[in-house]
Amino acid sequence: DIQMTQSPSSLSASVGDRVTITCRASQGISNYLAWYQQKPGKVPKLLIYAASTLQSGVPSRFSGSGSGTDFTLTISSLQPEDVATYYCQKYNSAPVTFGPGTKVDIK
Amino acid sequence: EVQLLESGGGLVQPGGSLRLSCAASGFTFSSYAMSWVRQAPGKGLEWVSAISGSGGSTYYADSVKGRFTISRDNSKNTLYLQMNSLRAEDTAVYYCAKNYLPHYGDFDAFDIWGQGTMVTVSS
Repeated sequence: DIQMTQSPSSLSASVGDRVTITCRASQGISNYLAWYQQKPGKVPKLLIYAASTLQSGVPSRFSGSGSGTDFTLTISSLQPEDVATYYCQKYNSAPVTFGPGTKVDIK
Repeated sequence: EVQLLESGGGLVQPGGSLRLSCAASGFTFSSYAMSWVRQAPGKGLEWVSAISGSGGSTYYADSVKGRFTISRDNSKNTLYLQMNSLRAEDTAVYYCAKNYLPHYGDFDAFDIWGQGTMVTVSS
């Protein structure tokens, strides 16, 4: 099975900082990669699908890139409401697999 | 409004059974593959099972294969997860989730999630 890893596992940044989270697949998954945001006590929210397509209604400060095995989620200017855990997910085939998550908070 | 509403969670003893339901509304249910995803307390997301729009194809994580059964009733717009031989490690919030695109395939990003139902396996 394909394994998904994320780095870092957590980060602390200042408001306005550019934040980058990396997700790596153990085998190539083309662009079958999604990113989710989960705020404490809330349901996961789809941010990006197909590696780089922004879901409707998601602020444009979020962006995704990558293909194959290496992917990134970038927040161009971190806002207080972005405090959350971010998960990548590969969905090219079963088993669907999530990364372990990256917890983002404000410094 | 597109909505998913889970029910059926609760406290069950190890070895016991439970059936979760997920009532869908606001979209053509039969056109979308659906999944169950769980999250143990303080842990990350774990995909559990998926089912095609017609119900003809099903998929399971190794951790639940042979114990859990996913099904759907398109006439009732409802997704199910029958959970047997439950273990302490099955304790989690269980979410149902809708695939993003209709008629796309059995695997996709999840654009709509339910609020989740808590399953606790303990004696």
